[in-house]
Amino acid sequence: DSGVTQTPKHLITATGQRVTLRCSPRSGDLSVYWYQQSLDQGLQFLIQYYNGEERAKGNILERFSAQQFPDLHSELNLSSLELGDSALYFCASSGQTPYYNSPLHFGNGTRLTVT
Amino acid sequence: AQKVTQAQTEISVVEKEDVTLDCVYETRDTTYYLFWYKQPPSGELVFLIRRNSFDEQNEISGRYSWNFQKSTSSFNFTITASQVVDSAVYFCARSSYGQNFVFGPGTRLSVLP
Repeated sequence: DSGVTQTPKHLITATGQRVTLRCSPRSGDLSVYWYQQSLDQGLQFLIQYYNGEERAKGNILERFSAQQFPDLHSELNLSSLELGDSALYFCASSGQTPYYNSPLHFGNGTRLTVT
Repeated sequence: AQKVTQAQTEISVVEKEDVTLDCVYETRDTTYYLFWYKQPPSGELVFLIRRNSFDEQNEISGRYSWNFQKSTSSFNFTITASQVVDSAVYFCARSSYGQNFVFGPGTRLSVLP
């Protein structure tokens, strides 16, 4: 158990809809990362937050947004969903600094299916 | 971008064979960190090891061993006496103090009974 909690585990929704994925980091970790993994694809970095502030941005679509709250949990909002957004979305947390020297610990992921 | 290459897309072995997964990285940093992650069929991503660039000692953990060679920018992962439970996609990754994580494309390992 990595200590990172993601909910829900599965989400099925229709095109055009909006969903929210939630992540609670490991106790003590201040950084939260979001990754997207499409079928048989690698890990695409979306965005990183550190202690409530956006730290780094990857290939995140404008239809997607995220935030990290004062209690350090994070939410990833996906709107105007398209079939191509179907993927496994991972949250990861690491360290007490904004730097990249601690390993990422991943949640179990949210599998999003857009029909 | 400083890439991580895992040239083997898929490997298939028979149980009890040894198998080595290759990872080659690019970096302009003096200090950097290398990682391996395992993604079994159930889908979760499991952290296996972190190695920093200062430490070129090879590491062994049970049937797993890692060979870090700075001279060839490689951080290879060997599973000895493979088992069916080792079947997974394995990702190598690199980061440095100020450089975000870069993951390789992954190697899918199938261990056949």
